[in-house]
Amino acid sequence: EAGVAQSPRYKIIEKRQSVAFWCNPISGHATLYWYQQILGQGPKLLIQFQNNGVVDDSQLPKDRFSAERLKGVDSTLKIQPAKLEDSAVYLCASSLDHWSSYGYTFGSGTRLTVV
Amino acid sequence: AQSVAQPEDQVNVAEGNPLTVKCTYSVSGNPYLFWYVQYPNRGLQFLLKYITGDNLVKGSYGFEAEFNKSQTSFHLKKPSALVSDSALYFCAVRDVDSTDKLIFGTGTRLQVFP
Repeated sequence: EAGVAQSPRYKIIEKRQSVAFWCNPISGHATLYWYQQILGQGPKLLIQFQNNGVVDDSQLPKDRFSAERLKGVDSTLKIQPAKLEDSAVYLCASSLDHWSSYGYTFGSGTRLTVV
Repeated sequence: AQSVAQPEDQVNVAEGNPLTVKCTYSVSGNPYLFWYVQYPNRGLQFLLKYITGDNLVKGSYGFEAEFNKSQTSFHLKKPSALVSDSALYFCAVRDVDSTDKLIFGTGTRLQVFP
């Protein structure tokens, strides 16, 4: 089966600019996650979708980050305006359901550098 | 709250020697524990999981993990390390108190020397 697709792979922007990331999960996976991985740290959940509804966005900086999952399939994560501390790898993952014992399948990530 | 801790930032081992990457957990109730590996410029890859059953869990690439309830540990092991095992390893726990999201440790960099 095809994996989780993410684009772009790399992005460099100046602070205060906006940026968007795209994720296409594995077909049939109801749950989609966006994680932020800052260099030297473990991934931290930003937002979790169940189909097209938000399940958990408690750690999403809502003043600058937004995400949507249209029709319960693809998802986009947006940052506007970006700050230097947003430099990180943004990982998208999907699973059959939030309680799946099979764990997640991760995409390769988008490496964002804010200068 | 559910959490995992990885006490070592880096583990160095010679090729052919056994390796251990440590993880301890703190959970309410039964733990659901995972190990993932991350190679440079790649996403996280699933290695193995413990849900219930045997305390010794076998996973991908010859890795195994030992669940120890009394020590609240879930250490990753491999009998004979390969240079190609060099990567970043993450322990994770499912947040069953909330939305079942995975909560990750800070990661351990494994360096296998020829």
